[in-house]
Amino acid sequence: AQTVTQSQPEMSVQEAETVTLSCTYDTSESNYYLFWYKQPPSRQMILVIRQEAYKQQNATENRFSVNFQKAAKSFSLKISDSQLGDTAMYFCAFGNTGNQFYFGTGTSLTVIP
Amino acid sequence: EPEVTQTPSHQVTQMGQEVILRCVPISNHLYFYWYRQILGQKVEFLVSFYNNEISEKSEIFDDQFSVERPDGSNFTLKIRSTKLEDSAMYFCASRGASGREEQYFGPGTRLTVT
Repeated sequence: AQTVTQSQPEMSVQEAETVTLSCTYDTSESNYYLFWYKQPPSRQMILVIRQEAYKQQNATENRFSVNFQKAAKSFSLKISDSQLGDTAMYFCAFGNTGNQFYFGTGTSLTVIP
Repeated sequence: EPEVTQTPSHQVTQMGQEVILRCVPISNHLYFYWYRQILGQKVEFLVSFYNNEISEKSEIFDDQFSVERPDGSNFTLKIRSTKLEDSAMYFCASRGASGREEQYFGPGTRLTVT
């Protein structure tokens, strides 16, 4: 079975600074996908970024980037130039070509003005 | 941009009552999902649905739960006899034809069982 671990229940960062959220996972599969979802107070789950395991290049989306270490099964999210609107719960998720996603327990990020 | 919608946004029901949560997935998507999130906890998979049948379900998805796609647009989750512990946020999600695509989530339905 797949497991996803987020070891930081809460984090905070000053506005305009950079923060890194960590995620590790365990799987025996070779073909899979990793995602970071953001859940603001509105509770809607919003996709932040995705990474295909077969790609060596780390995904980036504007201020968001990942550090994907396949051998270490690590998938961290870096948020640069943090903004107040980044305050949210962040979930790391693992998806394979099967049907379900496996979510971590989440990291609550607070951006401090 | 197409999005997944869910109704109602908040449902309050008494223990033992039946509830139906409704979802309209993105129109050209083929895979549909229900997830549950108890307050303060992680998102948990309930069930996936493809080609008009359940393709996978978790231990949470017992006989009290059922899903249906009654027409070409709606995807419903029914809880036959609600329990207090069913109180949670329920998210619907959908995915396109490729197995490589992310799931798109709806805004959720907050179910409160009293």
